[in-house]
Amino acid sequence: QVQLVESGGGGVQPGRSLRLSCVASGFTFSAHALHWVRQAPGKGLEWVALISFDGTNRKYADSVKGRFAISRDNSKNTMYLEMTALRPDDTALYYCARDGLGGLPFDSWGQGAAVAVSS
Amino acid sequence: EMVLTQSPGTLSLSPGERATLSCRASQSVSSNYLAWYQHKPGQAPRLLIYATSSRATGIPDRFAGSGSGTHFTLSIARLEPEDFAVYYCQQYGRSYLFGGGTKVEI
Repeated sequence: QVQLVESGGGGVQPGRSLRLSCVASGFTFSAHALHWVRQAPGKGLEWVALISFDGTNRKYADSVKGRFAISRDNSKNTMYLEMTALRPDDTALYYCARDGLGGLPFDSWGQGAAVAVSS
Repeated sequence: EMVLTQSPGTLSLSPGERATLSCRASQSVSSNYLAWYQHKPGQAPRLLIYATSSRATGIPDRFAGSGSGTHFTLSIARLEPEDFAVYYCQQYGRSYLFGGGTKVEI
């Protein structure tokens, strides 16, 4: 079955960097666009970034543009989120999500990786 | 800037009752690109409805989506105990945006 497993979360000081990974299995990884979505404590879902199936197209939320970089390695069935210049308001649970085919939105999600930015 | 406003913020109901959740957009949304998700604490969000009214795989028919333009609705015909959760609407396609969520509680 489809599985998405995030890793790389943890505690970090403001201004520092962190890289999240999302390892996929159970489907043709290279056929799907992928997203990062986050949820800050006590808040709702916030879309963060998108990468196309082949990595040629990337989009970011204004809140992370210029600080976060999304990438993927289709040979490893893995997507990444490189987060730099982290701020306390980046504290959240970060989910990776698969973009469905044929017009479907986010049809599979991981369990999330927690990031806490604090001095 | 597009905004999706969900109401009410919290809906207090009992099992067996009908739930009606609203999602209003500040600009018109293509009906092809409006989705609803269910999110329970400690779990991954789950896709319920896409393209305004199409149920995702495995979603029971007590969940129904409707609407057009700037007003969309998620209805849950008869609440089951497992339906108590937070529900989000989402615009997707060329851009991606979630509403603030509606909590359905007992």
